[in-house]
Formats: sequence, C-alpha cells, structure tokens
Amino acid sequence: GQQVMQIPQYQHVQEGEDFTTYCNSSTTLSNIQWYKQRPGGHPVFLIQLVKSGEVKKQKRLTFQFGEAKKNSSLHITATQTTDVGTYFCAGQPRYSSASKIIFGSGTRLSIRP
Amino acid sequence: DTGVSQDPRHKITKRGQNVTFRCDPISEHNRLYWYRQTLGQGPEFLTYFQNEAQLEKSRLLSDRFSAERPKGSFSTLEIQRTEQGDSAMYLCASSLAPGAGNQETQYFGPGTRLLVL
Repeated sequence: GQQVMQIPQYQHVQEGEDFTTYCNSSTTLSNIQWYKQRPGGHPVFLIQLVKSGEVKKQKRLTFQFGEAKKNSSLHITATQTTDVGTYFCAGQPRYSSASKIIFGSGTRLSIRP
Repeated sequence: DTGVSQDPRHKITKRGQNVTFRCDPISEHNRLYWYRQTLGQGPEFLTYFQNEAQLEKSRLLSDRFSAERPKGSFSTLEIQRTEQGDSAMYLCASSLAPGAGNQETQYFGPGTRLLVL
C-alpha cells in the first residue's frame, strides 16, 4: 500500500542548533503538507507544497518538495524551546481517487535549553 | 483555535460497550474527516464526508465503526462492542473542498481520547 516514511523518529538538540526531518513517499504525491503537534495537542497545519522542487520559508522554518514529488524536508534553523513537538508530513497520493492524506509517523523534537 | 470542536474530550469505557463521539467542523467547511492516532504514530485515515455523503472508508475500518453526517454539518463516529485495541485518540478535521484557486487544508479538532478497559 501507499506509505509515507519519516526520519528520524526522534531528535534531541541543544537550543540554537538546527534540526531537519525527512519525508519519503512510496508513490508520487499531488502535494505534501506539514503539521506540528505539541505534546498533548492536536496536529496544527503549517504549510502545503504543491510544485515540484518548491521551497517555502516561514521565519526559521524551510520546507522543500523534491523534484520527483516523492520526498520532502523540513529544516528549522537555530531551534528554540517553542519548537518542541512532533512534526508530521502528510502526502496526498497523486493517482488516488480519494481525498485522503497519508501521514508519516512523525519526528519528535526535544530541545535542551 | 482552529474552530473544530469535538466532544467528549476523554472517554473511558469497558470492553464491549458502545461509544459515540461528535465533531463540529468549521461552519463553512464542506468536508469532514475522521482519523485515529495511537501513541508514537501519525494520524490514520478512517473516513471522510463531503457534505452529507460519506465518500470513502478505510479498508482498515472494522464494521464495528460507523460514521454519519446527516445534515452535512456535525458528524458522529460510533464504535460498537469496543475492544481494548480501539484505545486511541480519535481526531476530526474539516476543510473546504479544493476548487478554483483553493487548495484544500485540513484543520484538526482537539480529539477525543478513548480508553477501553
């Protein structure tokens, strides 16, 4: 079946260090979305990427969508304690008739002050 | 505040009992999704509605699970004869179907955490 894999599963960094999470799909995607879930919270939409090779920035966060539309990454520059949480990518398969999105298993980010 | 609300926020039940959860989407959204999330995993798609029509159900969804959206607004998810493996967070999300110039974005509610004893 269609799968979206995310690595690493956990990342523990010193405050101020950079952080990157990678997302890979077994199938070509129409788009990819990124969500952040704080401990005890629910997923909160961050961004959606649609175009091949697209790069979008939100302050210290940089999102990329691969040329083949099968992978994506999220990079956080100079992490802060407010960045703590689990980051999920979620892809919409290109040739699926469904509107569903498939979530990766997430990367849990923790930060040493 | 995303505007999607879910009730109850927590539910503890005994194995074999039926439970029902409610989701109120953002008012102008015509799509509504149900997901299940277990610890350490991403949300897993269960089913979705466009207006009152249920357009897809996951193949993983047991026939003990049923969802409705009778008037195209709020939705209910019922689990019959609950099992311990049903313990999870049940998330609802709503969105506007994609159209001219509109990309679909799903907004999640706070979830209902179910514990089956």
